Amino acid sequence: ETGVTQSPTHLIKTRGQQVTLRCSSQSGHNTVSWYQQALGQGPQFIFQYYREEENGRGNFPPRFSGLQFPNYSSELNVNALELDDSALYLCASSLDRKGEQFFGPGTRLTVL
Amino acid sequence: AQSVTQLGSHVSVSEGALVLLRCNYSSSVPPYLFWYVQYPNQGLQLLLKYTSAATLVKGINGFEAEFKKSETSFHLTKPSAHMSDAAEYFCAVSGVGAGGTSYGKLTFGQGTILTVHP
Repeated sequence: ETGVTQSPTHLIKTRGQQVTLRCSSQSGHNTVSWYQQALGQGPQFIFQYYREEENGRGNFPPRFSGLQFPNYSSELNVNALELDDSALYLCASSLDRKGEQFFGPGTRLTVL
Repeated sequence: AQSVTQLGSHVSVSEGALVLLRCNYSSSVPPYLFWYVQYPNQGLQLLLKYTSAATLVKGINGFEAEFKKSETSFHLTKPSAHMSDAAEYFCAVSGVGAGGTSYGKLTFGQGTILTVHP
């Protein structure tokens, strides 16, 4: 069974650019949650997608947006990148909205 | 609103010594509580979880945690530290809705880096 995968592993962008991060959920999972982990901090909840619909959002501005596809993979899009967006972005999938979350290895985003 | 406080950003123990990582939570509803471990350049791995069953929860790699409602605590322990336990540990809480369902949003503490000396 393949676990949660994320791409790319690392990414360097400049301020003002846009970025798309990708997540493939574990087989049989229909829910994906995204978290931002700044250096030295715990992960912060960005939003969750359940069956292609947003199902809860944390305290992040609208320039953070997402998508979930019919195969339950997901994208996180960030527009107008700021220096403070530099972080490890973690994706987690679960069987449903209330299930145990299984985390991917993360994408390290650096904004210069 | 829910929150988690992990006391001590760094804990250092000798190999074979007791590991104690502290976590206190705040929640307006009965919580689900979790401990995750993160090794360098990796994602989070679930160690154990409390979901309102037994208050003493056993997890992987010899870790366990006890839910104490009166103290709003969920401290993580391991009787004997191993070099491979060196990592960062996160305590997390999620809400519990009607019918005992858990909300998807996890609220994490700041993390505790565990160092194990030979």
